[in-house]
Parts: sequence; C-alpha cells; structure tokens
Amino acid sequence: DTTVKQNPRYKLARVGKPVNLICSQTMNHDTMYWYQKKPNQAPKLLLFYYDKILNREADTFEKFQSSRPNNSFCSLYIGSAGLEYSAMYLCASSLRLGGRRDTQYFGPGTRLLVL
Amino acid sequence: GDSVTQTEGQVTVSESKSLIINCTYSTTSIAYPNLFWYVRYPGEGLQLLLKVITAGQKGSSRGFEATYNKETTSFHLQKASVQESDSAVYYCALGENTGGADRLTFGKGTQLIIQP
Repeated sequence: DTTVKQNPRYKLARVGKPVNLICSQTMNHDTMYWYQKKPNQAPKLLLFYYDKILNREADTFEKFQSSRPNNSFCSLYIGSAGLEYSAMYLCASSLRLGGRRDTQYFGPGTRLLVL
Repeated sequence: GDSVTQTEGQVTVSESKSLIINCTYSTTSIAYPNLFWYVRYPGEGLQLLLKVITAGQKGSSRGFEATYNKETTSFHLQKASVQESDSAVYYCALGENTGGADRLTFGKGTQLIIQP
C-alpha cells in the first residue's frame, strides 16, 4: 500500500484560531514532508521530519510547527491562522534506500480556508 | 536559490496529437540536481511520472519522455500521441538527493486538456 492519507480533506478556520492537519502513512517511510500550494503558485516545501528530527525551511520557520509522535503520523500546526494561510496543504513521505532517497509519495491534500 | 520554469497555464491538445511541455531550471546550490515530472490527475494526489538523476539520460513512463539536458538546463516533457486519460496537471521539479531528505523545488504546473 503506497497510500498517504490526510485528514481532514477540507478545513474551515477562523482568523486567529489554531489549525491542526494530520497526515499518515503505513509504508514505514523515514521522512515525511509538508508542502503548501496556493493557486497559480508552485508547491512550496514548508518542513520535513527525517526520523525524529524536524527541519523547517528558513522563510516559513516561525509560521508552522509540526510533530511526529510515531513513524506513521505527522501533523502540521498553525498557532494563529491568518488569511494568508488559505491554501492546499500536501503531505508526502519517502524512504532512504541504499544511501539514496526514493520517490516521494503524496497524499490528496487538505484544502484550508481561513475566514 | 533554485527555481523551475515550465509552460504556464493551460495547454490544449487534440487526441492522438503530439505534446511538449517545456521545463527549464536554475540552481546555485546543487551541482547535479535530480529532475522529476509529477502528475496530478483529477481527485488524486501528486504522483511521480518519471525522474532522471544523470545528465544526458532520458526517462520514460506511460509513453512520456524527458531528457536531462545540463547544457540548456532543460527537462522538457514529450509524448508522441496523447490520449484523453492524459488530462491532468503536470509539474516539473528539481531536487537534491541527500540521505536525510529530497528537497523538491517545483514549477507552477501545466494543465493539459485533451480534446476528443
């Protein structure tokens, strides 16, 4: 099973409120990623977990937090949602094979609308 | 930084005709980037279509081909005869393969519409 699951698929949030998005995979992948996709823009890497180590991209460092309680689950947390957070959030996972990194498998995405 | 530029917006092709979606890349940090084409079919997640990790090599999948050209920094996607089932959004991407993670930089995507 090469499925990456994301919950919820659609999320409506109020400005200033927290948002928590969930991603899961059962492929025993060591790395999980979060991307943000806005209309007419390229998917943008926000952060990734390599095993238990969180790496956040420099330009979104303060905007997003994440946790990975076990190998299968990874969350994306927004402490106080703003209008600019409205986007599609894509989760992906991958595995290191023989010193190189294998393909990233993507989930269907969570569409977040902040009002 | 890294960037990927691909054919923008929407491309409409008649069924059984040929297709080319242009992709060029720029990187200041990766000596030998890996190059990818991802595809998103309606209602599904992004999935890998093909990848090439060595300059000069060609990748192919489902009738699509792309050649890694380091001289022109290009990775154009081609298909000789498209089908209606090829309607989707196509993303070109580059990445650096490290042990820890594959940081992917994507283009904005090209929506392919196939006319019957």
